[in-house]
Amino acid sequence: DSGVTQTPKHLITATGQRVTLRCSPRSGDLSVYWYQQSLDQGLQFLIQYYNGEERAKGNILERFSAQQFPDLHSELNLSSLELGDSALYFCASSVEETWTANGYTFGSGTRLTVV
Amino acid sequence: AQTVTQSQPEMSVQEAETVTLSCTYDTSESDYYLFWYKQPPSRQMILVIRQEAYKQQNATENRFSVNFQKAAKSFSLKISDSQLGDAAMYFCAYRNFGNEKLTFGTGTRLTIIP
Repeated sequence: DSGVTQTPKHLITATGQRVTLRCSPRSGDLSVYWYQQSLDQGLQFLIQYYNGEERAKGNILERFSAQQFPDLHSELNLSSLELGDSALYFCASSVEETWTANGYTFGSGTRLTVV
Repeated sequence: AQTVTQSQPEMSVQEAETVTLSCTYDTSESDYYLFWYKQPPSRQMILVIRQEAYKQQNATENRFSVNFQKAAKSFSLKISDSQLGDAAMYFCAYRNFGNEKLTFGTGTRLTIIP
């Protein structure tokens, strides 16, 4: 157990629907990162939050949004889902904001299947 | 933009032997970090080893070591005394100094032959 908790582990939903993925970072970590792992795009950085504020944005679609709450857990909202959104969504956390050589601690991911 | 290339989609090695996974990257930055992550069938992304670009000494973690060639922009992973539990996808990743995101390669699937 890495200490980063992602729920649910699996999610199957229909096109056009909206889902929310949840991430609880490791205790003491202030940064949360979201990554998407798909077969054709590999691992792509979506967005980072640090202590409740958005810090960096990557290849995140406008249909996707995220937030980090005062208790530091984060949610990734995916709306108007398309077949191509099917992927493994990872959350990772770290204690620092940036300027660190540390790698992240990843959760075990949420497998999203859009049918 | 930075790119990371792993040219070996699949590798296999006999148990107890040594295997080297290749990674090259492209960057115009001088300060950055490099990582190898392991993703076993459990899907968990596990940090194997990291290297700061300003350090000339190659990083080592038990049976795992890297060959970091900054001028050549090469960062290979050597696994010694391969074990069955080493079977996984291995991802090379790059991160700029002062930047938040990791840029990953496409991965190398490592199979251990008993």
